[in-house]
Amino acid sequence: GQQLNQSPQSMFIQEGEDVSMNCTSSSIFNTWLWYKQDPGEGPVLLIALYKAGELTSNGRLTAQFGITRKDSFLNISASIPSDVGIYFCAGRDFGNEKLTFGTGTRLTIIP
Amino acid sequence: DTGVSQDPRHKITKRGQNVTFRCDPISEHNRLYWYRQTLGQGPEFLTYFQNEAQLEKSRLLSDRFSAERPKGSFSTLEIQRTEQGDSAMYLCASSGDRDTGSPLHFGNGTRLTVT
Repeated sequence: GQQLNQSPQSMFIQEGEDVSMNCTSSSIFNTWLWYKQDPGEGPVLLIALYKAGELTSNGRLTAQFGITRKDSFLNISASIPSDVGIYFCAGRDFGNEKLTFGTGTRLTIIP
Repeated sequence: DTGVSQDPRHKITKRGQNVTFRCDPISEHNRLYWYRQTLGQGPEFLTYFQNEAQLEKSRLLSDRFSAERPKGSFSTLEIQRTEQGDSAMYLCASSGDRDTGSPLHFGNGTRLTVT
């Protein structure tokens, strides 16, 4: 099935560094969601965005709903060890219940 | 715990056998979704219920797959005559009224291995 383009595919950073990742779609969405998934568990919702241009924060996490409605960005500031995991973006358009997920960004923190 | 609950967490079965998974959504949520996730990929949509009505099914849901939500609360996903390609994590999610912008909340999934 269709998946959104998410980049980078993986990141290796040191603790304390800031992280940026993004997600792009060929079609427009009216909702963007960011999830984090740890091994063997389901995705956990981090941030939900409902309006083009919206910028929303959740602690050290900040996400933006792109003005074109075709992209979204997630930033993590001052990374800590528990930030390790796979981050997924997901989009949903008007009149459609289906969430389309990105391919994921795997975040690893180098000691 | 008031999150989405899935049972079992793991299932190993032989090819050709039938399997059934259960999902208990967050109690006040009227919408329930099933997704499938294979290794290295994001979750892919399978089907969606609003209350007891199954309103959308993906082309991924072959005729060997059937989902039910008989009383609008818990849901079951059955796979008949399992194949090795069915091996995946099966995720359930629930949400409230979409008009209020309720996002999907996922359970921890059932990992199916078909040998």
